[in-house]
Order: sequence, then C-alpha cells, then structure tokens
Amino acid sequence: GAGVSQSPSNKVTEKGKDVELRCDPISGHTALYWYRQSLGQGLEFLIYFQGNSAPDKSGLPSDRFSAERTGGSVSTLTIQRTQQEDSAVYLCASSYRVGNQPQHFGDGTRLSIL
Amino acid sequence: AQTVTQSQPEMSVQEAETVTLSCTYDTSESDYYLFWYKQPPSRQMILVIRQEAYKQQNATENRFSVNFQKAAKSFSLKISDSQLGDAAMYFCAYREGSNFGNEKLTFGTGTRLTIIP
Repeated sequence: GAGVSQSPSNKVTEKGKDVELRCDPISGHTALYWYRQSLGQGLEFLIYFQGNSAPDKSGLPSDRFSAERTGGSVSTLTIQRTQQEDSAVYLCASSYRVGNQPQHFGDGTRLSIL
Repeated sequence: AQTVTQSQPEMSVQEAETVTLSCTYDTSESDYYLFWYKQPPSRQMILVIRQEAYKQQNATENRFSVNFQKAAKSFSLKISDSQLGDAAMYFCAYREGSNFGNEKLTFGTGTRLTIIP
C-alpha cells in the first residue's frame, strides 16, 4: 500500500485478555517504530526495529508487552494480560534507514480495556 | 534525557489570522532535529515542518514557519492565514541527529488548535 497500515483500527477487550496489534510499514522502509498515545498525552516511544531486530526496547512499559517483526516488514505488538492502564492509541511509524528520513505514521489502533 | 514541553494545551485563532504555538526542549546534544506534527481526528500524524539544529535559517513550508532559538532551546510554530483545515492537535517533537542509529522521536503533550470561522 501507499502508507503505513495498522489493524485493527479499534479494539475493545476485557481486562486480562491478550491482544495483538499489527503494523504493515511502507514497502522498503527498514526502520519501524511503535509509539503509545494515552488520553491527553503526547506520543511515548515503545520500541524500535531495524530490519527484524529490535536494538531499542527501552520504552516497553512492562514484560507484558512484546513485539516482533518478520521478513523485515510486518510487525506485531502483543500485550498480555491487559490492564485498564493499557488503554491508549498505539501508533506505528516507518522510515528508510538512510539518515534524515522522516517517519511516516499509520492511523493507529485505539485499544480500550474494559 | 531529552524532554519537550508545550505549555499551551489549547489555542484558538480567527480564520485568516496568524497564530504561534510554543515549544521548548531540553537536551545536552548539539546535533539534533526538531519537528512539528499535526494530528487531525483521523489520528494519523502528519509532518508539518522540520528543522535541523545545525541550520541557522528558520524552516518555512508555505503558510507554516518556525522560530528556532537554539540558545534558548525554543522552537515555535507560526501558522499564517489560518484555515479551517488547520484545526488539529499539534505536537512538537525532537530526535537526536544520527545517520545510522535509533531515530526515535520524543514528543511534547500537544496543543489543540481551534480555528474560529
């Protein structure tokens, strides 16, 4: 596709359930980023991928959060045993690795934990 | 750690008028980039303008311009001839200057801009 694609657009789930959020970056973009946007807040960095490896996972808030990327393309962010504080919009961005290239964002997944 | 501060949670401006959104940041780095992103209700973050710290000239993109004061660590966005389509959340963002490393962005908390017809 022409842009970064994220699915689902919205997800409502019960506390304690596991969820998977998907990001399909722009073709050819080797760098991929996940951010979280809580209500009334700016974006908070979660994890960075370069190809299939994640050299920076420093933003993941707890060990309930994990992410992977396969084939240098699609990435999945998994949240296990969801808590109400996990409710937020999760945004994915991708860019070319060559320096100074802007990040292109998807429309995000709005996650609501009941 | 780098921080980005936007002290104006909300701003409003009359259509066709000019408005300035404020942003300050804190860093010990000398090489970095600054950005303004726009987020309409669709949630997608749209890059409005960016500034390289090593450039003294302020960046300009059509009706959007910045006032970059490196010594003061200030990076304000000026929107001229405001249009209804400019209504959105505006986020100031920072990243370290690195050609081959992690280019993660640090964001401020945003300013909600309302355009009054």
